Amino acid sequence: GDSVTQTEGQVALSEEDFLTIHCNYSASGYPTLFWYVQYPGEGPQLLFRASRDKEKGSSRGFEATYDKGTTSFHLRKASVQESDSAVYYCALSDRGSNNRIFFGDGTQLVVKP
Amino acid sequence: EAAVTQSPRNKVAVTGGKVTLSCNQTNNHNNMYWYRQDTGHGLRLIHYSYGAGSTEKGDIPDGYKASRPSQENFSLILELATPSQTSVYFCASGDAGPDYAEQFFGPGTRLTVL
Repeated sequence: GDSVTQTEGQVALSEEDFLTIHCNYSASGYPTLFWYVQYPGEGPQLLFRASRDKEKGSSRGFEATYDKGTTSFHLRKASVQESDSAVYYCALSDRGSNNRIFFGDGTQLVVKP
Repeated sequence: EAAVTQSPRNKVAVTGGKVTLSCNQTNNHNNMYWYRQDTGHGLRLIHYSYGAGSTEKGDIPDGYKASRPSQENFSLILELATPSQTSVYFCASGDAGPDYAEQFFGPGTRLTVL
């Protein structure tokens, strides 16, 4: 079945550090990939998506490139800010998923000033 | 802008009691979802619905029922609440395009079962 694996459960950085959160997926079809962000006290919200191999999704300085060869969609940001502290979810959806989205376990990002 | 609201936002219940969590969406989306969120487990799907009158089991449906009386409303029902159901519950609504589904989340309900 479809699944998403996020390697890091928690990432602690200082402001202006470079961020990478790793995401790998397994899917029977050709999925669309997402990154969602969840700020404290709120529900998850879509950060961006990508639907084709080599497509780059981006928003608010975050970016990820769809890599079908390595089944990956790693999240990166060149210089994090304290306001980026949140939980980040990698997710996928495909035509065979009955309108479901499959989420990874999430990565808690803590950015210290 | 998508709008999904949940009530109550916080709930304390006793073991064995009945709990109903409500969700309302004004997006006219066909699909609605209930998730629970626990540390180390991320978002786990409990029940979902394709439209009024339909409910489907998700990955962890045991101990939960769902009801979709209208396009706008989707309820999660715990007939006999247990402490293991203490969690944060999120409702979402969305639709499926030709290639993927999108979901918009509510603010969550924090449930404590004593």
